[in-house]
Amino acid sequence: SQTIHQWPATLVQPVGSPLSLECTVEGTSNPNLYWYRQAAGRGLQLLFYSVGIGQISSEVPQNLSASRPQDRQFILSSKKLLLSDSGFYLCAWSRHRGRNSPLHFGNGTRLTVT
Amino acid sequence: DQQVKQNSPSLSVQEGRISILNCDYTNSMFDYFLWYKKYPAEGPTFLISISSIKDKNEDGRFTVFLNKSAKHLSLHIVPSQPGDSAVYFCAASPYSGGGADGLTFGKGTHLIIQP
Repeated sequence: SQTIHQWPATLVQPVGSPLSLECTVEGTSNPNLYWYRQAAGRGLQLLFYSVGIGQISSEVPQNLSASRPQDRQFILSSKKLLLSDSGFYLCAWSRHRGRNSPLHFGNGTRLTVT
Repeated sequence: DQQVKQNSPSLSVQEGRISILNCDYTNSMFDYFLWYKKYPAEGPTFLISISSIKDKNEDGRFTVFLNKSAKHLSLHIVPSQPGDSAVYFCAASPYSGGGADGLTFGKGTHLIIQP
């Protein structure tokens, strides 16, 4: 069976500090990988998706970046955090980006930028 | 512009009663609708879905109703149980099957089941 791991679960970082959130998927190969964010009072917003190693698409302009150094590893980064980066970050995977391919979410990372 | 709207941030229902969570959408191209359930400190998990060719889909205690003309869907939980306390996200996709492609989420409704 497939599992998705995301860490850390919570993180408190000062403004201007760097960020690295990691997500790995087990039990499947060549998954599509996603980073979502839920800011306070908002829905889940797609930030990045990746269909393969080194292939990253950004959905919204922002202070964050994503990388996929390995097939089942997806990393969310920032060089300098902003207060507005606070939120709940979710990694997800699917078999492909098309139809009949549901999203499977990790447990999320609660990021507080102070 | 929010294409999927859940106008009730929270809802409190007594155990054993019916819980009704509402969702409105604006994009007439949406073809498939899903509900996800999320517990604290966990990621959302898929609960139930409905295709635009149907107006009702039932799975145990959970029923989703779709009114395409009103661009409105609702999730009914009968009877409500304490374990149903969670945040419920409505999501919509322009493609059948509800895959990740083009999926748009609402803000969520926090359902609280009172004993």
